[in-house]
Amino acid sequence: AQKITQTQPGMFVQEKEAVTLDCTYDTSDPSYGLFWYKQPSSGEMIFLIYQGSYDQQNATEGRYSLNFQKARKSANLVISASQLGDSAMYFCAMSASGSARQLTFGSGTQLTVLP
Amino acid sequence: KAGVTQTPRYLIKTRGQQVTLSCSPISGHRSVSWYQQTPGQGLQFLFEYFSETQRNKGNFPGRFSGRQFSNSRSEMNVSTLELGDSALYLCASSPGERRPTREQYFGPGTRLTVT
Repeated sequence: AQKITQTQPGMFVQEKEAVTLDCTYDTSDPSYGLFWYKQPSSGEMIFLIYQGSYDQQNATEGRYSLNFQKARKSANLVISASQLGDSAMYFCAMSASGSARQLTFGSGTQLTVLP
Repeated sequence: KAGVTQTPRYLIKTRGQQVTLSCSPISGHRSVSWYQQTPGQGLQFLFEYFSETQRNKGNFPGRFSGRQFSNSRSEMNVSTLELGDSALYLCASSPGERRPTREQYFGPGTRLTVT
């Protein structure tokens, strides 16, 4: 069974500063993928970044980077230069080789960017 | 390329009724997954359809069912609605490979309220 843990229910960050959202995972599958999604109040899940378990380098997508530490089973999201529009709920999720289209989600972190 | 579309966006039903939600995936994508999001249980996987066949199923009662058509559009049906079925229902579209891949994109969701 897979499990995703997000221990920060809420986070605050000052505009233009960087913020790290924590995510740890547990799986016995050797091949898996890790995702971060953003969910604004409108409800739509917006894909941010993906890390494959065999990827050698940490993933980056613009202001988003994923700090992947395989041995520690962590996949933290780093948002650089926060913007007011980054205020939203952020979900960490994973899929595994046995059921690659089945995402297991964490409980989410509500990020608030302060002006 | 058009994104994932879900209809209707909002729905109000009465206990005991049934409801059908629709999801049209991104053109070329053959897999559609459905998720239920509630404040109490978070995001939970319902089922995945690929090439008109259910490939994975989450832990939901038999009142929840789905199907997929030859054009990859998918519908989910909930019979005998209960108050606890009030939720945001999200569908995700992907090409359908067995291995984990970054390509999982969500629609805007259907917000179902059961009264």
